Amino acid sequence: AQSVTQLDSQVPVFEEAPVELRCNYSSSVSVYLFWYVQYPNQGLQLLLKYLSGSTLVESINGFEAEFNKSQTSFHLRKPSVHISDTAEYFCAVSEANAGNMLTFGGGTRLMVKP
Amino acid sequence: DAGVTQSPTHLIKTRGQQVTLRCSPKSGHDTVSWYQQALGQGPQFIFQYYEEEERQRGNFPDRFSGHQFPNYSSELNVNALLLGDSALYLCASSLWTGTSINEQFFGPGTRLTVL
Repeated sequence: AQSVTQLDSQVPVFEEAPVELRCNYSSSVSVYLFWYVQYPNQGLQLLLKYLSGSTLVESINGFEAEFNKSQTSFHLRKPSVHISDTAEYFCAVSEANAGNMLTFGGGTRLMVKP
Repeated sequence: DAGVTQSPTHLIKTRGQQVTLRCSPKSGHDTVSWYQQALGQGPQFIFQYYEEEERQRGNFPDRFSGHQFPNYSSELNVNALLLGDSALYLCASSLWTGTSINEQFFGPGTRLTVL
């Protein structure tokens, strides 16, 4: 069975600084990888996904993540964060040929300070 | 497009009671999945419904059951509530893809508190 580990439960960072949220997964088969964002009192929103092809994927609001198969990682990065990026971020994995069942990590709270 | 909607927003129950949560999928979607998100944790998959049948199930006891209606909406039922069932219950909808993957859209959730 697959599992997802988000190594940092909280990441404080100043506005306009770069940030990296770490995600490692464990699976014996091919996987699809996702990052979701959750703002307070809201559901999850898909930020970006890796299904196949280029290992570097980007979102429309400046985030990017790189799939590293050898290190089983899918870290999320942004070169310059804004106050509005303050939220909980979840990494998730779905095994190939297993349908739409997502396994989530424990989440990382990104706290952007002015 | 209303997106995924869930009701009620909040719910308070006592131990031993039963609860029903409801979900309407995004327009055009035919598959509904339910997740439990305990405070401070990531969501955990409960089960998935397609064509009114449970297609996949996570590691949850039989106290958790569901239903999907012909209009694709879904209910999550939890019997004999325990304090540990207190959580945010998220519904996600998508198009059925069999063994393949498709983007899931999440609702805002129902916050269940068990006293």
